[in-house]
Amino acid sequence: DTAVSQTPKYLVTQMGNDKSIKCEQNLGHDTMYWYKQDSKKFLKIMFSYNNKELIINETVPNRFSPKSPDKAHLNLHINSLELGDSAVYFCASSQGWTDTQYFGPGTRLTVL
Amino acid sequence: AQSVTQLDSQVPVFEEAPVELRCNYSSSVSVYLFWYVQYPNQGLQLLLKYLSGSTLVESINGFEAEFNKSQTSFHLRKPSVHISDTAEYFCAVTSNAGGTSYGKLTFGQGTILTVHP
Repeated sequence: DTAVSQTPKYLVTQMGNDKSIKCEQNLGHDTMYWYKQDSKKFLKIMFSYNNKELIINETVPNRFSPKSPDKAHLNLHINSLELGDSAVYFCASSQGWTDTQYFGPGTRLTVL
Repeated sequence: AQSVTQLDSQVPVFEEAPVELRCNYSSSVSVYLFWYVQYPNQGLQLLLKYLSGSTLVESINGFEAEFNKSQTSFHLRKPSVHISDTAEYFCAVTSNAGGTSYGKLTFGQGTILTVHP
């Protein structure tokens, strides 16, 4: 039973394309997050949602649009992909903002 | 604003030797502190955390970390490492102020621990 799952695991695409990454958690948590890990392994938060409401929106290009259809899902849509978007994207969830964040396995996005 | 500095990017060590991974943070408000571990090609897993109370916190696999407010540090230690401890370790901080800091973890740059036989 995977607690936080992401699809796809790998995503290879051309510049200019639009793509989506999906995240689902079965932990009953009310808060979900998207993180970006760059080639130097630096992790940075992009967005967080609490009960489907956007809480954190870091300085991310507006080509990135999160969408939370319900508490268990947080998807990330990326328009007009650029080379610099290549990274590993991690989804995470927690019950409350001080609780442990549980991370998904990551989606490795490669933009050619 | 808050920041985290992990002072060593790589730490090689022999099996059964002790190890310390250093973490310093900067924040204008009170913080909660975390250590996460990332095994190759996997997501992050929580190793241990400090929220309040005793400044020494322990994990189930023998790691411990001590919150030192005066030195703004949260170093991770293990008295005897195993080959299976080889991984990348991330220190992270979040403020307990709530509001727009809701769940915002700020990570350090990571320390790669390599345990040699």
